[in-house]
Amino acid sequence: GQNIDQPTEMTATEGAIVQINCTYQTSGFNGLFWYQQHAGEAPTFLSYNVLDGLEEKGRFSSFLSRSKGYSYLLLKELQMKDSASYLCAAEDSNYQLIWGAGTKLIIKP
Amino acid sequence: DTAVSQTPKYLVTQMGNDKSIKCEQNLGHDTMYWYKQDSKKFLKIMFSYNNKELIINETVPNRFSPKSPDKAHLNLHINSLELGDSAVYFCASSQESWTSGRNTGELFFGEGSRLTVL
Repeated sequence: GQNIDQPTEMTATEGAIVQINCTYQTSGFNGLFWYQQHAGEAPTFLSYNVLDGLEEKGRFSSFLSRSKGYSYLLLKELQMKDSASYLCAAEDSNYQLIWGAGTKLIIKP
Repeated sequence: DTAVSQTPKYLVTQMGNDKSIKCEQNLGHDTMYWYKQDSKKFLKIMFSYNNKELIINETVPNRFSPKSPDKAHLNLHINSLELGDSAVYFCASSQESWTSGRNTGELFFGEGSRLTVL
C-alpha cells in the first residue's frame, strides 16, 4: 500500500533549528511536497522536490533522497509564527498526492 | 483578492439533511479538487476536475456529488448527511499540464468549510 510517515508532534525553541522527517512508500514516485497548515487555516505550499538533494528557500530548506524514500524539512531561526502543522505529500506515478497526517510543531519562547 | 474561495465556512446540520458547499477560483487554473480533512488531520482527495471533466473520483459514497459548471467553479453536494461526514472540506486548484501527464503541482487551497453533522 501507499504510506507516508512523519512524527505526530515536535517541540522546539524560538531561534533554534528543527528538522521534520518524512518517509514515503508509493506506487512509483514523481516528487515530494511540503505544506504548512496553521490551526484552523488552509494548507499553504512550502516546497516541491523532484531531484535528490537540498533545496533552500530562505529559512526553510527541503531535502529529498529518492533511493531511501526519505525527505526532511529544515526550519532555521525559528519564530513563534512557525508553530503549525507541516504536511508531507508524495506524488505517485499517476501524479496522485499521498498525504501524511502532518507534524504539529510547537515553538516555545 | 481571494484566490480560492469556498462557502459556507461553517455548516452545522442534522443527520439526513442535504447540503452544498460552493467553491470558486480566480487563478485561471484548469484543475480543481475537493479534499476531506478528518479529525486525525489526514487530507484525503475526494474528486478532481480538469476543465469541467471529472478526472479523479476516489472511493467516496455516492451521496457526494460534485458539479463543475465551468472551470472556475466546483461545487460539492452531499445528500443524506451522516455523523461520519463531519470534517473540514477543502477546495483547491492547481495549474496542471495534463497533456504532458505532468503534475506541475502547487495546490492553492480555499479556507475550508467545517461541516458538523448532529
